[in-house]
Amino acid sequence: GIQVEQSPPDLILQEGANSTLRCNFSDSVNNLQWFHQNPWGQLINLFYIPSGTKQNGRLSATTVATERYSLLYISSSQTTDSGVYFCAVVGAGGTSYGKLTFGQGTILTVHP
Amino acid sequence: DAGVTQSPTHLIKTRGQQVTLRCSPKSGHDTVSWYQQALGQGPQFIFQYYEEEERQRGNFPDRFSGHQFPNYSSELNVNALLLGDSALYLCASRIGLTPSMGEQYFGPGTRLTVT
Repeated sequence: GIQVEQSPPDLILQEGANSTLRCNFSDSVNNLQWFHQNPWGQLINLFYIPSGTKQNGRLSATTVATERYSLLYISSSQTTDSGVYFCAVVGAGGTSYGKLTFGQGTILTVHP
Repeated sequence: DAGVTQSPTHLIKTRGQQVTLRCSPKSGHDTVSWYQQALGQGPQFIFQYYEEEERQRGNFPDRFSGHQFPNYSSELNVNALLLGDSALYLCASRIGLTPSMGEQYFGPGTRLTVT
């Protein structure tokens, strides 16, 4: 099945800094989503972005499907941005049909 | 617009017991998937239900089974619980089966502890 790799695994920032999280995937995808998991385990939808660029406030994302990667940008980070960020894809191949395959996540810690 | 809901929030069971977790999809959604998230890992796909049938299954043993009801809600059943089944169980919903049919939304999860 499709493989998803996220980098970096851990990221520590001071409040106000900018950051870029990367997601590489091993095959063609139909869907790609970015999530933020809060300390209670809730997965919060950030972006649904199988291709192209989207922005939502301080967050933006770009997916280059032909090169099999996606980037999540966080600008002017705040302590409330802390948590785990997951990239998840639905592969275009038969065995990946319909299911989300997650990366291992990036643990972001923002210090005041 | 009600989001995905799950019950119970937390559950403690003993090895060998059976457990049932419940999920109601987001309003307007008809496809439900279940995921298991072990500590420090990304969620792993268990199975997906659409039109009351299991449509796709991940690499989980037959001890994991499910059901979808006519109102699209779903149950996850785990028999003969093992210590390794301790995890956060997440339910997700979306519209339809076509892979490109858009976003999936997750519930708050059920945290299962097996002792």
